[in-house]
Amino acid sequence: SQQGEEDPQALSIQEGENATMNCSYKTSINNLQWYRQNSGRGLVHLILIRSNEREKHSGRLRVTLDTSKKSSSLLITASRAADTASYFCATAFNAGGTSYGKLTFGQGTILTVHP
Amino acid sequence: NAGVTQTPKFRVLKTGQSMTLLCAQDMNHEYMYWYRQDPGMGLRLIHYSVGEGTTAKGEVPDGYNVSRLKKQNFLLGLESAAPSQTSVYFCASSYRGEQETQYFGPGTRLLVL
Repeated sequence: SQQGEEDPQALSIQEGENATMNCSYKTSINNLQWYRQNSGRGLVHLILIRSNEREKHSGRLRVTLDTSKKSSSLLITASRAADTASYFCATAFNAGGTSYGKLTFGQGTILTVHP
Repeated sequence: NAGVTQTPKFRVLKTGQSMTLLCAQDMNHEYMYWYRQDPGMGLRLIHYSVGEGTTAKGEVPDGYNVSRLKKQNFLLGLESAAPSQTSVYFCASSYRGEQETQYFGPGTRLLVL
């Protein structure tokens, strides 16, 4: 079953605006990541945040993690038309060992940035 | 450096036919994965491998088999295709120790009639 749920399912904004996407999950995690998928393509890893981190930045991306609420958010600042894509959160859990990279993905947020 | 490649890009099968999807990576990654993606859903893990000669089941393994005879290749087999296996299949790979950072192939679109 899908652990992650993303909100909103779809987001439409104008270039230059900020885009915020949210992800909630159900069980304890070791880390959470965000991936981007352009239409008809494979996924591209954007950023990983560990369970002991609260915020992480990478260029125009800002990710927050609230383990008490089991939620994360991805903020894209000053969006561009090229940011149009689906964005997925993925979680990994290991019970004292390694996760072996067994990721559980959310359903994704479709972001459309209009020029 | 091609990254992760998948063959074929698109295939149509009739119910009951068999086929093999090939994934190849040139990054010397230890771990490899097969996912399927259905409309409106995220990816679900089918099988994965942590090294040459080893495979393990993921979330949705029924109806699929895998083999990893060489480190750079990971094969996904459908012995008797069913319409429920119509999907887009993605292969991914990663380094041991950074296994949650995965590199994905472009996908194989499979239609089972």
